[in-house]
Amino acid sequence: AQSVAQPEDQVNVAEGNPLTVKCTYSVSGNPYLFWYVQYPNRGLQFLLKYITGDNLVKGSYGFEAEFNKSQTSFHLKKPSALVSDSALYFCAVRDRNDYKLSFGAGTTVTVRA
Amino acid sequence: NAGVTQTPKFQVLKTGQSMTLQCAQDMNHNSMYWYRQDPGMGLRLIYYSASEGTTDKGEVPNGYNVSRLNKREFSLRLESAAPSQTSVYFCASSASPGPDYEQYFGPGTRLTVT
Repeated sequence: AQSVAQPEDQVNVAEGNPLTVKCTYSVSGNPYLFWYVQYPNRGLQFLLKYITGDNLVKGSYGFEAEFNKSQTSFHLKKPSALVSDSALYFCAVRDRNDYKLSFGAGTTVTVRA
Repeated sequence: NAGVTQTPKFQVLKTGQSMTLQCAQDMNHNSMYWYRQDPGMGLRLIYYSASEGTTDKGEVPNGYNVSRLNKREFSLRLESAAPSQTSVYFCASSASPGPDYEQYFGPGTRLTVT
């Protein structure tokens, strides 16, 4: 079985400060990891993914994520947060042999001006 | 290029009523998915269609049926709505059912069952 944990329901940061959203996963084989963002009353938008290769993955809007196999983590980061980054962020994982994309419960990010 | 579109955006049903949620994609994607989103639970897969002509159950299929009408369209039907089906429903598509392909989501349908 595969699962994702996002340990923080909310993350609050000041504009210009670094932003980190945490994610840990559990999967039987090699993980396929994704980050999505959801703005109010909108669908989910794809940010980035880790499939294989370099552990640091760069994505849309200046976001990046670091895959750490030993810690089974895939934390989302942005060096300098913007007010417009305020949204709900979801981490998701798939196993090679499963069609299901398993989502975490989501982390609400609030960036204050 | 509209991406993934869903209709309706909002719907209120009484217990026992039926309805069909419509989804269409214009990205020539092979795979399509239906999810429901409930507070604090992330998204859960209801049904998916890996390719035209195939459908399979996801994590929470009870009370739902689906039809892959053609490559573009994938509908979700509630035959007898229950209050537990109050949720936000998202349709998604991907180029391939493979695990390394990201999914693209529609804007959602907010359904309330009274």
